[in-house]
Amino acid sequence: GENVEQHPSTLSVQEGDSAVIKCTYSDSASNYFPWYKQELGKRPQLIIDIRSNVGEKKDQRIAVTLNKTAKHFSLHITETQPEDSAVYFCAASKRGNEKLTFGTGTRLTIIP
Amino acid sequence: GAGVSQSPRYKVAKRGQDVALRCDPISGHVSLFWYQQALGQGPEFLTYFQNEAQLDKSGLPSDRFFAERPEGSVSTLKIQRTQQEDSAVYLCASSRTAQNNEQFFGPGTRLTVL
Repeated sequence: GENVEQHPSTLSVQEGDSAVIKCTYSDSASNYFPWYKQELGKRPQLIIDIRSNVGEKKDQRIAVTLNKTAKHFSLHITETQPEDSAVYFCAASKRGNEKLTFGTGTRLTIIP
Repeated sequence: GAGVSQSPRYKVAKRGQDVALRCDPISGHVSLFWYQQALGQGPEFLTYFQNEAQLDKSGLPSDRFFAERPEGSVSTLKIQRTQQEDSAVYLCASSRTAQNNEQFFGPGTRLTVL
């Protein structure tokens, strides 16, 4: 089955700097890659997703890049703010089976 | 409209008790998923429904776990003879169609087995 690895497990950045989180996946059939933000005790919330027919997607301060050949995708957050502090999860799924396989999460801390 | 809701939000059970966890998906959503999230970990897939059909139950850890969605809307996850290792947050998610689409998560049920 699919295996998703995520790095780093913790990340601290100064407010205003950029943060990058990286994930790799094992199943070349995977074609949908969402990123979820989860605050303590709250539900995971989708912040951005990308499908395998595009290489990059941007939404304001958040961007995701996908390299299908290398089977890795990354989350980029620019101009970080204190409210960006949370745990971020990457995930992958494939056509015909919607279940998400999640990475182990990255705890992002923004230092004011 | 209303998001995905789950009840109860917290459940404490004595080892050996049966529990039932409820999920109300977003109205009209075809797909419904259950995930288990252990402390400090990412959610792990348990089972998946498309309308009332359970298409994938490969993630259920044992035959003590059972899920149903009889009318294609509300779903119940039942755990029989709970064990301490069942302690986790159980998340329900729904998505609009049967193709890869955004999964909207509920707030989860935190199960603690003593």
